[in-house]
Amino acid sequence: DTEVTQTPKHLVMGMTNKKSLKCEQHMGHRAMYWYKQKAKKPPELMFVYSYEKLSINESVPSRFSPECPNSSLLNLHLHALQPEDSALYLCASSWGVNYGYTFGSGTRLTVV
Amino acid sequence: AQRVTQPEKLLSVFKGAPVELKCNYSYSGSPELFWYVQYSRQRLQLLLRHISRESIKGFTADLNKGETSFHLKKPFAQEEDSAMYYCALGRASGSRLTFGEGTQLTVNP
Repeated sequence: DTEVTQTPKHLVMGMTNKKSLKCEQHMGHRAMYWYKQKAKKPPELMFVYSYEKLSINESVPSRFSPECPNSSLLNLHLHALQPEDSALYLCASSWGVNYGYTFGSGTRLTVV
Repeated sequence: AQRVTQPEKLLSVFKGAPVELKCNYSYSGSPELFWYVQYSRQRLQLLLRHISRESIKGFTADLNKGETSFHLKKPFAQEEDSAMYYCALGRASGSRLTFGEGTQLTVNP
């Protein structure tokens, strides 16, 4: 298995909802990442997990809460989002940055 | 701080013509450089990394530390090369990857 799988592919949520994005990889990668991508813009780093521990939080608002239950899974819990949070949320994994990342196909999130 | 600059947002060439997508970086340490490609409605894919010095789909990129550049080149562009191309920079000892703004390449028939 050489893929990163993200679910759901699309999500529409209200500003008072709580939802979660899921990411899974079975390549044995020890680093996992959440990125946010707006249309026609590059991905922006949100969080990095290394060996299941949060190593980087790019000053992301607390309405985004990451979780890494085990070495294969990464979640992003969402609560009280704003319409400007609508974007494509990408998960990636890697052995380390010098090996490059494997990206998932993303969850397209719309906040209404 | 690390920074990646892709000076061309849009690049259009004809099929069979050579293509060069420019990437310049700023970083004081030992950089790890990559090119990623995103075809329409597909996931972001790793195209090249400088450390492997390989050629993928006819594309090559050479790291020039003197000019702090990592330009992507292909001698004969194909229509299927039309996509968004991102140059990315990482630190050898770190885990953060910084992306440039991207260049949308269109190869016309």
